[in-house]
Formats: sequence, C-alpha cells, structure tokens
Amino acid sequence: ETGVTQTPRHLVMGMTNKKSLKCEQHLGHNAMYWYKQSAKKPLELMFVYNFKEQTENNSVPSRFSPECPNSSHLFLHLHTLQPEDSALYLCASSQDLWSASGGGSSYNEQFFGPGTRLTVL
Amino acid sequence: GQQVMQIPQYQHVQEGEDFTTYCNSSTTLSNIQWYKQRPGGHPVFLIQLVKSGEVKKQKRLTFQFGEAKKNSSLHITATQTTDVGTYFCAVSGSARQLTFGSGTQLTVLP
Repeated sequence: ETGVTQTPRHLVMGMTNKKSLKCEQHLGHNAMYWYKQSAKKPLELMFVYNFKEQTENNSVPSRFSPECPNSSHLFLHLHTLQPEDSALYLCASSQDLWSASGGGSSYNEQFFGPGTRLTVL
Repeated sequence: GQQVMQIPQYQHVQEGEDFTTYCNSSTTLSNIQWYKQRPGGHPVFLIQLVKSGEVKKQKRLTFQFGEAKKNSSLHITATQTTDVGTYFCAVSGSARQLTFGSGTQLTVLP
C-alpha cells in the first residue's frame, strides 16, 4: 500500500536533537492524524488536523510540535525528547473526520502509514 | 475520550480453532471500527458497525455490534496462520473522538 507514506521509517536521536517526521497521503483525504504506539499502551491519539486546521491536541507535551501545511502533508517536529518518547509514531488519514450515519455521526475509516520507529537515547 | 475495554489481551490458538475478541464500553457508542495490525506492520481497517445488533461477515470473520451498542465482538472461524496479528476495536462516542482499545494479540500455532 502506498496511500500514506512516512519518512523516515527508523530514527535514532539524542535528547538534545531536533528532528522531524514527515507524512504524506495520496488519497485526497481532508483529515490527518498523528498517533503514538508504545509497547505496553494502546494507540494514543496525539493530534488531529481537518482541512489543515488542528482540531485535537490530546494533552501532548510541547516537545512535540505538529505542522500541516496542506491537506496532503503532515509533520511532527521533535525537540528535547525523553527516552520514554521512544515508540512507533503512526500517521493516518481519512476522507473527513466523520460522516452522518445511522441517525448520528461516526468517524470515517482511517488509513495508516507504515510508521516511524523512534528511539530516543 | 471514550473508554473501551478489549479482552483478551493475548490469545494463542491451534490452527483451525476459532477465535473471538470482545470490546466493551460502559456508555453507548455511536459506532465501532475494527482494525488488524500484523507483526511489524500498521493498523489496517477491517470494518465499521453502526446499527444496533448489526452483524457483518467477511469470509471467516464475523463482526457483531450489541443491541445496546455498548459492546462488539470479532469472531474468526477456523483460524489460519495468516490471521496472526493484533486486532483493535476503535470507538467514537459523544465526544466525537476515535479511541482505540488495547488490542488482542492473536498467535496461531501451526
């Protein structure tokens, strides 16, 4: 699948480094997401962008800074990270955030990228 | 966000045996989605359930949404080694935020 791509696939960085993760979706979607997946925790939603506007920030520390220049690209800027930030960072996109269904609204299916495996030393 | 409990956390089955994973919520859900993540891979959308009591099938996979829209199950008949992976439910409640369950890691022994 090449609908959602992420670079780099692996990243090792020191706590004083600054790096950026990149996500690109080729599906014409309007919503994009950043998730963190740790070994012993469920998928944690970090940020949501809809039509380039940030709609969710789930109490993410300021050392993670997202950027969405357009509906196809999403970045996650990293600086002064901690070892506990080591995880798989997944980008996802969906057509829109939600759509009407069954008398209410429901989240659209999300298409995930392959992820960036981040190790903070 | 919405809270959801997924059980079991791990399941080992012999190839050919059936497998079921459950998602439970204390509150009514708007909908529920199911994803599969192969080892070393990323989550892939399987299905979405919206209606009370809904049942959907995909080959050997059967998905159910409870009558009260508070629980859901994914059942695999006659597991194969290709079914190995972690199965996640994801729910959206009144807060309009998608929350993933902790996942059930399925191992299929040949």
